[in-house]
Amino acid sequence: DIQMTQSPSSLSASVGDRVTITCRATESISSYLNWYQQKPGKVPNLLIYGASKLQSGVPSRFSGRGSGTDFTLTISGLQPEDFATYYCQQSSVTPITFGQGTRLEIK
Amino acid sequence: QLQLQESGPGLVKPSETLSLTCAVSGASVSTYFWTWIRQPAGKRLEWIGRLETNELTNYNPSFRGRATMSLDTSKNQVSLKLTSVTAADTAIYYCARILCDTDCFTFDYWGQGSLVTVSS
Repeated sequence: DIQMTQSPSSLSASVGDRVTITCRATESISSYLNWYQQKPGKVPNLLIYGASKLQSGVPSRFSGRGSGTDFTLTISGLQPEDFATYYCQQSSVTPITFGQGTRLEIK
Repeated sequence: QLQLQESGPGLVKPSETLSLTCAVSGASVSTYFWTWIRQPAGKRLEWIGRLETNELTNYNPSFRGRATMSLDTSKNQVSLKLTSVTAADTAIYYCARILCDTDCFTFDYWGQGSLVTVSS
């Protein structure tokens, strides 16, 4: 199975900050990488697919980059509603696997 | 607006079968691929399997043949059965629609989730 590892596991930031979360795969997944946001007690919400494509309705402050094994999710200008847990997911080969999550907290 | 709603017993005894349904509104289940994903408390999301429009399935081998997904077009719902459950199967179970764009393993609409506890 392809293992997905996110860093950091948790992150404190302030409103207005720019933050970057990294996701690394144990083997190349080309650009088959998705990002989800999950708020406490809520359902995961697709933010980015295909490593860099913004899902409809997602604010443009979210962006994704990368290919192969290394990927990033960047939030430019954190808003209060962005404090949540973020998961990466590889969609290259089955079994589909997720990262362990990065918890973004208010500083 | 697409909506998904999971339902099923919240408590299942060890060794028994977990059965969940996902009622879909706003789209026909025969038009899209569907998936089930679970999330044990405090742990990462775990993919269970994918169900295609022709009812072909693709399961996570970690479930060792215990998982079965199916379509009920008359009720417009998707179902999951997981046999021989243990406490390790305690989790929130989500159904989700699959967005086929760059691939067919991207999950764009999720149900609210159904908490299943395995306990005697």
